Amino acid sequence: AQSVTQPDIHITVSEGASLELRCNYSYGATPYLFWYVQSPGQGLQLLLKYFSGDTLVQGIKGFEAEFKRSQSSFNLRKPSVHWSDAAEYFCAVGEGGKGSSNTGKLIFGQGTTLQVKP
Amino acid sequence: SQTIHQWPATLVQPVGSPLSLECTVEGTSNPNLYWYRQAAGRGLQLLFYSVGIGQISSEVPQNLSASRPQDRQFILSSKKLLLSDSGFYLCAWRKRLAVPSYNEQFFGPGTRLTVL
Repeated sequence: AQSVTQPDIHITVSEGASLELRCNYSYGATPYLFWYVQSPGQGLQLLLKYFSGDTLVQGIKGFEAEFKRSQSSFNLRKPSVHWSDAAEYFCAVGEGGKGSSNTGKLIFGQGTTLQVKP
Repeated sequence: SQTIHQWPATLVQPVGSPLSLECTVEGTSNPNLYWYRQAAGRGLQLLFYSVGIGQISSEVPQNLSASRPQDRQFILSSKKLLLSDSGFYLCAWRKRLAVPSYNEQFFGPGTRLTVL
């Protein structure tokens, strides 16, 4: 069965420090991978996605993620964290298939809450 | 451009009362639609999804039901709310195409439901 694991429930970093949020997935075929961010009381915003091609993908707000098939990982990184990055981050894997079999369902990890210290 | 609306934004309901949450999408047609619940301190649980009018798939057995009376309208309902129905409910849409690159979902602002 498909699954997504985010090993870190909470992470605290100092403003200006680098950040890496971990994500491991279990999926039989080529995965479609996503990172979303959620500010308190808000919906989810897509940060970046990976479908194929270059394994290092760039997203919005200065985030990037690297797909490593051998490690079944899709870790999110940012070189310098800003206080406004404090939020909850979700990794997700998308169900593949085309046409009528493509339900587009996403399987989410449990999320990582990022706290930024001044 | 496409937008997704949810209402109400917040709702406080007594146990045993009915529920109706509405989600509408603008600027697209024939989308896939999804209802998620997010309980405090937990991730997102997919409740229902729909690939067309009147077509509803349930992901988990529960006290809730969903309907899609129009192409861009998705409704989450309950006849009698339970305390465990409290949470943050998110609606999402996705372009329904054969091309996998349109697989991302776009989320609404959510509805905070408190059952007392």
